[in-house]
Amino acid sequence: GESVGLHLPTLSVQEGDNSIINCAYSNSASDYFIWYKQESGKGPQFIIDIRSNMDKRQGQRVTVLLNKTVKHLSLQIAATQPGDSAVYFCAENLNAGNMLTFGGGTRLMVKP
Amino acid sequence: KAGVTQTPRYLIKTRGQQVTLSCSPISGHRSVSWYQQTPGQGLQFLFEYFSETQRNKGNFPGRFSGRQFSNSRSEMNVSTLELGDSALYLCASSLGMSEEETQYFGPGTRLLVL
Repeated sequence: GESVGLHLPTLSVQEGDNSIINCAYSNSASDYFIWYKQESGKGPQFIIDIRSNMDKRQGQRVTVLLNKTVKHLSLQIAATQPGDSAVYFCAENLNAGNMLTFGGGTRLMVKP
Repeated sequence: KAGVTQTPRYLIKTRGQQVTLSCSPISGHRSVSWYQQTPGQGLQFLFEYFSETQRNKGNFPGRFSGRQFSNSRSEMNVSTLELGDSALYLCASSLGMSEEETQYFGPGTRLLVL
């Protein structure tokens, strides 16, 4: 993922709809990917992770899809709720200890 | 279990000063990583400590340093502060035994350099 500077892409969805947040990662050698959620004034909160030997993983209301061919990661949130409003970051582990490389983030806004 | 804690939460310093930030990891976690978050550069890795040793280092100048104590608590220090050091400094802890394990973040220390 690339840092995008001051302007965060924003996804606006209606409460109850499904949300899809996309992320392009940078290194084909990365073998571990994580999605974090960051609310205003808080640190990033772990949502879900996926290893490079998988292409899909499901959690509670969330699904992560990994397409290694095009180096693309997506986070799907089912039945989006107002509490899901936050900035979402994808992160990749470049097989170098615990060093995570983060994407620029996407702001999710949920309209009631 | 208590989460990752960071102190102080907010800090104001002037250019040229130095600052020390503290991070207490989740109990049992031996790895502590530090990240800098700014609107312009996003989240960037500073360094990681494991068992009191720096295990990984990001691309930051030598003014940024850290250490880890025997109880896994970690501090980072920034010397000769510059305006561009204003940021949210986050630490994250994990068990440290595998690259494929969850890192848990603290709430961060917001540093403002005037």
